[in-house]
Amino acid sequence: EPEVTQTPSHQVTQMGQEVILRCVPISNHLYFYWYRQILGQKVEFLVSFYNNEISEKSEIFDDQFSVERPDGSNFTLKIRSTKLEDSAMYFCASRGGTGVRTGELFFGEGSRLTVL
Amino acid sequence: GDSVTQMEGPVTLSEEAFLTINCTYTATGYPSLFWYVQYPGEGLQLLLKATKADDKGSNKGFEATYRKETTSFHLEKGSVQVSDSAVYFCALISGYSTLTFGKGTMLLVSP
Repeated sequence: EPEVTQTPSHQVTQMGQEVILRCVPISNHLYFYWYRQILGQKVEFLVSFYNNEISEKSEIFDDQFSVERPDGSNFTLKIRSTKLEDSAMYFCASRGGTGVRTGELFFGEGSRLTVL
Repeated sequence: GDSVTQMEGPVTLSEEAFLTINCTYTATGYPSLFWYVQYPGEGLQLLLKATKADDKGSNKGFEATYRKETTSFHLEKGSVQVSDSAVYFCALISGYSTLTFGKGTMLLVSP
């Protein structure tokens, strides 16, 4: 069964360092998402991406964040200068072209980021 | 804005017990409602969904009914198994927005 894969599964970094989280969405999917979950809190939407551009982003997704689909298969989330409060589990998701209200999002296992 | 509230966990049950995980929501318009599940070491998976009032979503013995009058979408299962141990997330989509999740409820089932 096709699945969304994410790397790394866990990354530890120093505050101020740049981090890139990688995702390989399901191959025929068109919409891509990043969510995050700070320990003990809700899963929060960060950004959605369609047709090689950001279609929606939350207030959390400020200038230190960026997304890219560099080669048609990978979908990356870059955090330019990490802060302690960026420590969280980051989930990538993708979906096909069905309607957003009924279409299923397929999630990866998550990448745990720990900022020291 | 949209929000989802789930009961606090962990919920600890013995095998074959009845399960209810409460979920209530606040949304503009008429949202679609979802339950996602995350098994240990895996990603979030869609468990069931309901797209309009009074719809019942069901899958793997789990059920949830979209109750507009009480703005609820409680998850139920008649007889849980050890393999059901996971974190369960209630979520909604309102209009053309993205998924809004609750905090998640951990379920622990012992033999």
